[in-house]
Amino acid sequence: QKEVEQDPGPLSVPEGAIVSLNCTYSNSAFQYFMWYRQYSRKGPELLMYTYSSGNKEDGRFTAQVDKSSKYISLFIRDSQPSDSATYLCATLILTGGGNKLTFGTGTQLKVEL
Amino acid sequence: NAGVTQTPKFQVLKTGQSMTLQCAQDMNHNSMYWYRQDPGMGLRLIYYSASEGTTDKGEVPNGYNVSRLNKREFSLRLESAAPSQTSVYFCASSEKLTGGAFFGQGTRLTVV
Repeated sequence: QKEVEQDPGPLSVPEGAIVSLNCTYSNSAFQYFMWYRQYSRKGPELLMYTYSSGNKEDGRFTAQVDKSSKYISLFIRDSQPSDSATYLCATLILTGGGNKLTFGTGTQLKVEL
Repeated sequence: NAGVTQTPKFQVLKTGQSMTLQCAQDMNHNSMYWYRQDPGMGLRLIYYSASEGTTDKGEVPNGYNVSRLNKREFSLRLESAAPSQTSVYFCASSEKLTGGAFFGQGTRLTVV
């Protein structure tokens, strides 16, 4: 079992829809949670970064963390064709030897006109 | 502001050849990372450097070596390339270990 599980999709939605992207993780010691967006043939870019359970909002994007169920979500409101990309969730834990940043495999999203 | 710069962008190697992937960041970040990305496997950490002068193994270090040349630069070396090392390689940096990482544009490596 992977430490971070993510449905690979692809997920196709019409423009203007609300998108929900989800990840589950197995290690309750994970401390920090992030969402990255990756356009085709580009490097991932950091979208959202959260530490505690609850919601964090940034424009059309909302990141949600539920540590009790080990579940993290990213919601995109009023989705646009420019949101078409692969979205990767990531978790971070600090260990005695340093840090460990673990990524999900990514969900491919397509927003259609 | 260039961020994280990787060179080269593309490379084809023959089995057994060696090469070094270069990475430089201009954000004065302390931590730097090398990842590989393969279909269905996601991003996997090869090596990281928490700060200048230190390096540590990640999830898939076999077949690779790294050098943290200074605070800006972190190189990845393949001593004897194998077809299994065909992948897209990403360098990343972060201000501190608890911070979000910023990625370069990647190096597409094919080993034939």
